[in-house]
Amino acid sequence: QVQLVESGGGVVQPGRSLRLSCAASGFTFNTYAMYWVRQAPGKGLEWVAVISYHGTIKKYADSVEGRFTISRDNSKNTLYLQMNSLRADDTAVYYCARDQREYSYGYPLPFWGQGTLVTVSS
Amino acid sequence: EIVMTQSPVTLSVSPGERATLSCRASQSVGTNLAWYQQKPGQAPRLFIYSASTRATGIPARFSGSGSGTEFTLTISSLQSEDFAIYYCQQYNDWPLTFGGGTKVEIK
Repeated sequence: QVQLVESGGGVVQPGRSLRLSCAASGFTFNTYAMYWVRQAPGKGLEWVAVISYHGTIKKYADSVEGRFTISRDNSKNTLYLQMNSLRADDTAVYYCARDQREYSYGYPLPFWGQGTLVTVSS
Repeated sequence: EIVMTQSPVTLSVSPGERATLSCRASQSVGTNLAWYQQKPGQAPRLFIYSASTRATGIPARFSGSGSGTEFTLTISSLQSEDFAIYYCQQYNDWPLTFGGGTKVEIK
């Protein structure tokens, strides 16, 4: 079955960097777009970034554009989120999620990981 | 950016009763609308997509309707496991946006 397992979260000081990973299994990773969605404590869901199945198309929320970079290694079935210049308002649980459709992007998200908590604090 | 507005913020319902959740988009999203359920400490779970299609394994007591800017999620007879937060999400345009959520609580 589809499994998405995030890792790399933790406590980091403002202005520092962190890289999240999402290990995927149970499906053909290189045929699906992948996403990062975050949720600040006690708040709602916020889409962060998407990467196409081949890795050539990337889109970002305005709130992270220029600071975060989404990438993937299809040989390792792994999704990444490089987060630079972190701010207190980046504190959230970060979920990776898979697109519904193969060879496309911008569709609903039927599979999610359990999330990894990033806390930005001095 | 398409703003998604959900109402009410909290819905108090007795088990066995019907629940109606609303979601409004600031501009038309066609039927590119999904509903997710989230329970405390868990990831969201896709319940409805294309405004009215139930995702795999979702019980028939859940139904979605609407198009354009007005959408509804109806739970015909609430079961104990249905008490949770429900989010709508549009995927008609970038950035993808979610509503603020409706918490369905036990009355």
